[in-house]
Amino acid sequence: AQSVAQPEDQVNVAEGNPLTVKCTYSVSGNPYLFWYVQYPNRGLQFLLKYITGDNLVKGSYGFEAEFNKSQTSFHLKKPSALVSDSALYFCAVRDTGATDSWGKFQFGAGTQVVVTP
Amino acid sequence: GEEVAQTPKHLVRGEGQKAKLYCAPIKGHSYVFWYQQVLKNEFKFLISFQNENVFDETGMPKERFSAKCLPNSPCSLEIQATKLEDSAVYFCASSHRRPLTSGGGNEQFFGPGTRLTVL
Repeated sequence: AQSVAQPEDQVNVAEGNPLTVKCTYSVSGNPYLFWYVQYPNRGLQFLLKYITGDNLVKGSYGFEAEFNKSQTSFHLKKPSALVSDSALYFCAVRDTGATDSWGKFQFGAGTQVVVTP
Repeated sequence: GEEVAQTPKHLVRGEGQKAKLYCAPIKGHSYVFWYQQVLKNEFKFLISFQNENVFDETGMPKERFSAKCLPNSPCSLEIQATKLEDSAVYFCASSHRRPLTSGGGNEQFFGPGTRLTVL
């Protein structure tokens, strides 16, 4: 079965400092990995995804993520955080090896990012 | 349209009443997904459709939940005899092309959600 872990409930960072949001996963086949952001009372907005190819993926709003197969991780990063990056971030995985999970995402529990001025 | 639309934004029901939620996927997207987000932010997959056909319903509590995606109509998620634990935000998402034969890497586009409160 596929699973996703976001070990931190909340990440606090000062504006201008680097931001990292952690995500680890467990799948039976190859993972397709996604990051989404959720602002208050809004739906999820797609940030980036890893399907294949380069381990470093660049996405929207200056975010990037690095796929690390040996560590089964897909951490989200931003070199210089903005106050407007304060939101709830979700990591999601789609397991290509699981016949019972075709198409659907398994989401992590979410990490609240708070960027202070 | 270019966004997934969900109605209503908020829905309040007494326990035991019926609730019906609607979703209009992005035009041209053939896959629709329903997720339930409960208070602790957890997303639970409910059901997915390929056009009007059920694709995966492994997450649906079938005794009270049902869903449809009919041609030329918004998709719907209906809860008969709502319970307090059904209180959540229900998100609809859509994606284009077949999830796995395209490489499985198509992201899902989410609507703004419907907040259901069962009193």
